[in-house]
Amino acid sequence: QVQLQQWGAGLLKPSETLSLTCAVYGGSFTDFYWNWIRQPPGKGLEWIGEIHHSGSARYNPSLQSRAFISVDTSKNQFSLKLTSVAAADTALYYCARGMLARPRGWFDPWGQGTLVTVSS
Amino acid sequence: SSELTQGPAVSVALGQTVRITCQGDSLRSFYASWYQQKPGQAPLHVMYGKNNRPSGIPDRFSGSSSGNTASLTITGAQAEDEADYYCSSRDSSSLHVIFGGGTKLTVL
Repeated sequence: QVQLQQWGAGLLKPSETLSLTCAVYGGSFTDFYWNWIRQPPGKGLEWIGEIHHSGSARYNPSLQSRAFISVDTSKNQFSLKLTSVAAADTALYYCARGMLARPRGWFDPWGQGTLVTVSS
Repeated sequence: SSELTQGPAVSVALGQTVRITCQGDSLRSFYASWYQQKPGQAPLHVMYGKNNRPSGIPDRFSGSSSGNTASLTITGAQAEDEADYYCSSRDSSSLHVIFGGGTKLTVL
């Protein structure tokens, strides 16, 4: 059974860089897209971006200038960096495995979530 | 457009049937997937494709799609089904992921 375990700093000051990593245990790393999704407190889900094991990545246009997702296939890990954070970036950040098989796709499983708070 | 619209809230009596809908142009060319989220928990994948349940999801959950609308139906709702439900799809050209705003389901 595939499990995703994520970690990273939970408290940042404005203008700092958010950095999170997600490790994948079990299952194939090469057949899927590896995603970051966030959820501000009390609000809905927002897709940040995804990366394939080949390194090909896509980003939410609203975050593309600040987000960078990388992959380390030797460790079955992928990471998110979000630069110049502000209070609006305060959210629960989830990693998730994505399957894309047009015209269908899904996210399963999800990591446990990391609460990132941006405050001065 | 690259938006998915869900009603904010719906309620259902215990044991009755409820349908949660999701509308958006992307659904004309890309199926929705659905996620259940209970307070303090990560989202759980409950439906994908035309009407496909992941392993372990009860068969009271079903899905359908027509035109620009996707639906998640719970037949015989249980108390444990009370949760927020999110739909997701992709823009057919950019393949960017889109989430609906979520629907809060209350089981009475």
